[in-house]
Amino acid sequence: NAGVTQTPKFQVLKTGQSMTLQCAQDMNHNSMYWYRQDPGMGLRLIYYSASEGTTDKGEVPNGYNVSRLNKREFSLRLESAAPSQTSVYFCASSKTGQNTEAFFGQGTRLTVV
Amino acid sequence: EDKVVQSPLSLVVHEGDTVTLNCSYEVTNFRSLLWYKQEKKAPTFLFMLTSSGIEKKSGRLSSILDKKELFSILNITATQTGDSAVYLCGISGSARQLTFGSGTQLTVLP
Repeated sequence: NAGVTQTPKFQVLKTGQSMTLQCAQDMNHNSMYWYRQDPGMGLRLIYYSASEGTTDKGEVPNGYNVSRLNKREFSLRLESAAPSQTSVYFCASSKTGQNTEAFFGQGTRLTVV
Repeated sequence: EDKVVQSPLSLVVHEGDTVTLNCSYEVTNFRSLLWYKQEKKAPTFLFMLTSSGIEKKSGRLSSILDKKELFSILNITATQTGDSAVYLCGISGSARQLTFGSGTQLTVLP
């Protein structure tokens, strides 16, 4: 019962470094999402992908890029990390075209120093 | 742009109290409203609401949607310390985004 798997769980970066957060789901979902969560801010949508081959910006896309590699995988890349990107990142997935809930990964705690 | 506003932002109650959490929204072509509970880790699903006036219940938790007034409430009766969490409300519309509010931090004291 893997569901949504995110890697890594924790990461510390220096300012200016790059990294990619990986997300994979095994539920055959079409839609996938990347959120960041800061204290008192709820979940803010960074990017989403309604289907394989499409990606769209969410509320806070600046400083991030995404790749929908295939139906299972949706990665989030920080090209030049900044301290303002210190946050907890969640990946989620859901079915498209049906009203079902979204399933979340366990999160990645990223610290940029 | 879809928008979700939750209130209150935080709430402290004692065990046994009843609480009502509020969620108002703006969305293009409403599809569904979802409630989640988050305890330090990933959000866990509570309810999905698609129709007005139909109450969803699970134990001591219940929720209802008003599509005319664009809001939903989540009720928790006879609260327990295990109900302490952040409760998140999310909205899905035709853009197929899933947009969340800031959450309500509920603290239940023994």
